Amino acid sequence: GENVEQHPSTLSVQEGDSAVIKCTYSDSASNYFPWYKQELGKRPQLIIDIRSNVGEKKDQRIAVTLNKTAKHFSLHITETQPEDSAVYFCAASNTGFQKLVFGTGTRLLVSP
Amino acid sequence: GAVVSQHPSRVICKSGTSVKIECRSLDFQATTMFWYRQFPKKSLMLMATSNEGSKATYEQGVEKDKFLINHASLTLSTLTVTSAHPEDSSFYICSAKRGSASYEQYFGPGTRLTVT
Repeated sequence: GENVEQHPSTLSVQEGDSAVIKCTYSDSASNYFPWYKQELGKRPQLIIDIRSNVGEKKDQRIAVTLNKTAKHFSLHITETQPEDSAVYFCAASNTGFQKLVFGTGTRLLVSP
Repeated sequence: GAVVSQHPSRVICKSGTSVKIECRSLDFQATTMFWYRQFPKKSLMLMATSNEGSKATYEQGVEKDKFLINHASLTLSTLTVTSAHPEDSSFYICSAKRGSASYEQYFGPGTRLTVT
C-alpha cells in the first residue's frame, strides 16, 4: 500500500521567512496530493492540493510542487506570519481507491 | 457548501461501555465517508471507509467488531466504539466525499473520546 514520508518533523522560522515542507510517496498510482493545516484540537483544513497532471500550483503565499518521477511533492510558504504556526500534513491518494494516506506531520512555528 | 458535522464533540465514558459518534454531511450527499483516529501529536490514521448501503472496509489492524460503522444514508455515518478501554481514548475525525469522481474530502470537527 501507499506510504507517505514527511520532513522535517518540526520547523522554526522567523516571520517573513519562507518555509518548505517535503513529502515522498511510494505508490506511483497516486494521483492526488493535498496539504492540510491543523490547529490544536481542530479539524484538518485543506490549504492547497495538486493533481498528478500538474507540476506546480500556487495560491497567494502558498505553492505546491510535484515531481512524479521522483515521487515527491513539497509545500512552500512565503512571507510567513505567526498565524501560519500549526501542524501541516501532506497526503496522497489514488482516487481509484479513494482513501487518503497522511504524512507524519510538520510542526511549523513562526516567531515574530 | 460542503459542511460536515460530528456529534458529540467531546465524550467521556467508563471503561467497558459503548460510545456512538455521528458524522453528518449537512449540505451534500456523501457516497463515501471515512473514519480516522488521531492520537496526540500524531498523524491521522484511516480506520475504515464507509460506503452508503454497504459494509465498511476496515484498514489492517482495526477490529471491525470493536469499531462498528453504519452508513445508513447518504448524509449520515456512525462509529460505535464498543467495550471501550482507556487505550481507545483518542480524537476521532470523519470525512466525506461528494461522489466517486470527487477528489476532495471534507472533514468533520472531530470527537474527543476519553475512556476512564
